[in-house]
Amino acid sequence: GAGVSQSPSNKVTEKGKDVELRCDPISGHTALYWYRQSLGQGLEFLIYFQGNSAPDKSGLPSDRFSAERTGGSVSTLTIQRTQQEDSAVYLCASSDRGGTEAFFGQGTRLTVV
Amino acid sequence: GIQVEQSPPDLILQEGANSTLRCNFSDSVNNLQWFHQNPWGQLINLFYIPSGTKQNGRLSATTVATERYSLLYISSSQTTDSGVYFCAVAATDSWGKLQFGAGTQVVVTP
Repeated sequence: GAGVSQSPSNKVTEKGKDVELRCDPISGHTALYWYRQSLGQGLEFLIYFQGNSAPDKSGLPSDRFSAERTGGSVSTLTIQRTQQEDSAVYLCASSDRGGTEAFFGQGTRLTVV
Repeated sequence: GIQVEQSPPDLILQEGANSTLRCNFSDSVNNLQWFHQNPWGQLINLFYIPSGTKQNGRLSATTVATERYSLLYISSSQTTDSGVYFCAVAATDSWGKLQFGAGTQVVVTP
């Protein structure tokens, strides 16, 4: 596609439920990134993929968070047993390779009630 | 990890004024980007500028990598320039990880 696409745009879930967030990168981009932005805050790095491998997953806040990427394209961020502090906007970005210009999607706003 | 500091944290401008935003970083970088986050939360790419100078319309940016800073210039500001401006860098030893500054909140008044 023309840009990075994320789905859903908004997600409201009950505390304790699992959620999956999806990211479709720009076609041909080998690098993919996940970030989190809490209300009124800056962007917090979560994980970086090069192809299907994750050389840097240092930002994942806890073992409730996991991510995978298949076919060097679509990525899914999974949050298990969601907590209220997980409420944030989750942003995905891609670049043609690591270290080059990154482009962001519109984000998924997650609300845990 | 690399530290990124942006200044000023807040900026109020009258329409038509010029301004300079600064980004200091603590280590060598191989990626530096400036973004504008609009009121709807979308991050708009302004510049990919790990070194040198670029211009795009009323905006321009300069990165002096050897001195570890970058500047974003806004000239003849318009109300549509309002929003948060972020600087993001990737250290040369961690080139997959863009580290964001805290941002500069810009408000342009008519």
